[in-house]
Amino acid sequence: DAGVTQSPTHLIKTRGQQVTLRCSPKSGHDTVSWYQQALGQGPQFIFQYYEEEERQRGNFPDRFSGHQFPNYSSELNVNALLLGDSALYLCASTRRSLGGPSYEQYFGPGTRLTVT
Amino acid sequence: QQQVKQSPQSLIVQKGGISIINCAYENTAFDYFPWYQQFPGKGPALLIAIRPDVSEKKEGRFTISFNKSAKQFSLHIMDSQPGDSATYFCAALGHGSSNTGKLIFGQGTTLQVKP
Repeated sequence: DAGVTQSPTHLIKTRGQQVTLRCSPKSGHDTVSWYQQALGQGPQFIFQYYEEEERQRGNFPDRFSGHQFPNYSSELNVNALLLGDSALYLCASTRRSLGGPSYEQYFGPGTRLTVT
Repeated sequence: QQQVKQSPQSLIVQKGGISIINCAYENTAFDYFPWYQQFPGKGPALLIAIRPDVSEKKEGRFTISFNKSAKQFSLHIMDSQPGDSATYFCAALGHGSSNTGKLIFGQGTTLQVKP
């Protein structure tokens, strides 16, 4: 049973550039959330995708955008990178119950983004 | 109201001892409280979780105690082992109108178990 996978593992970008991170959810899961984890901090919710639409969004600027594909995989895009965007970006997946809430979220290994 | 406060920030325990980490929340709409374990360079791994209709849940050496009236919950690690040395995060999940949930994390506790 494949878990959550993310690519790439590490990425180094220059301030002002754009980056795309990718996530494949755990088998059987249909909902993907993205989190940003700064060094020494807990993960912060960026947004969540279900049925190819953004369903919830955290307190992040519009420079952060995403997409979900029909196979439930997802991308996180960050434009106009700032030094402060350097962090571990985590993808989490869950399965939304029929008409009901989803609970257990499983995280991938993350993508370490360094902005110089 | 969306915060989850976690303590202590760091913890050192002898092998075989009990590790206790505490969390407090304010938002009564939270209805799911997981604990995650994270090793350096890895993503958080779901350890154990509890719903507010239960006061305690035990899985192996890990126990969650939940106090709904005090809006507090804690993780107890019995017979702590050096392999338990990691950062532990409590979290709370609330559901929006779309019934999809976002996790609100505590600040984390770095646990070191000495042999």
